[in-house]
Amino acid sequence: EDKVVQSPLSLVVHEGDTVTLNCSYEVTNFRSLLWYKQEKKAPTFLFMLTSSGIEKKSGRLSSILDKKELSSILNITATQTGDSAIYLCAGTSGTYKYIFGTGTRLKVLA
Amino acid sequence: ETGVTQSPTHLIKTRGQQVTLRCSSQSGHNTVSWYQQALGQGPQFIFQYYREEENGRGNFPPRFSGLQFPNYSSELNVNALELDDSALYLCASSLEGQYTEAFFGQGTRLTVV
Repeated sequence: EDKVVQSPLSLVVHEGDTVTLNCSYEVTNFRSLLWYKQEKKAPTFLFMLTSSGIEKKSGRLSSILDKKELSSILNITATQTGDSAIYLCAGTSGTYKYIFGTGTRLKVLA
Repeated sequence: ETGVTQSPTHLIKTRGQQVTLRCSSQSGHNTVSWYQQALGQGPQFIFQYYREEENGRGNFPPRFSGLQFPNYSSELNVNALELDDSALYLCASSLEGQYTEAFFGQGTRLTVV
């Protein structure tokens, strides 16, 4: 059965810290790995990764996919209180199905 | 903010009743997927609609059904509601294709009492 596992489940850091969120996947016919940020309700798209070893960056956030290890990491540098959210990782199987992990709940203290 | 809109935002229903949730996809997107997110869990795939046809289904019973309309908007219908159906229901729209990301609406919070 397809599954995505995220770690840690929750994390509390102080502003300015750097955090690394982990995602491992076992997805049949794997196509891509996506990261979303969920603050209240709507998950907001962050990154889509399809090729191994290529880093995607947006400001203080970056992510990389390791197809050999079936994993991905999401890095956030110089964290701010506005980064507090649940970060969801999803693997895609074929063209339609996203398999989500449980998420990592990040809390950034001022 | 995405262009995906869902209605209603909140809903309270009694066990055994039926409910219809609605979703308008982002402009230009022809594919709509529905997810159920229970408290403390990640979203679980219910089904996807593409060109008004069901294009894939997750492990949900037949009392979960859907529709997609010619303008690509969609409905999720749930019959014979159970307490465990209480969750956030998320709609996501995307362009059909292998490497396209989905954009989510704000969701409908359904409470079954």
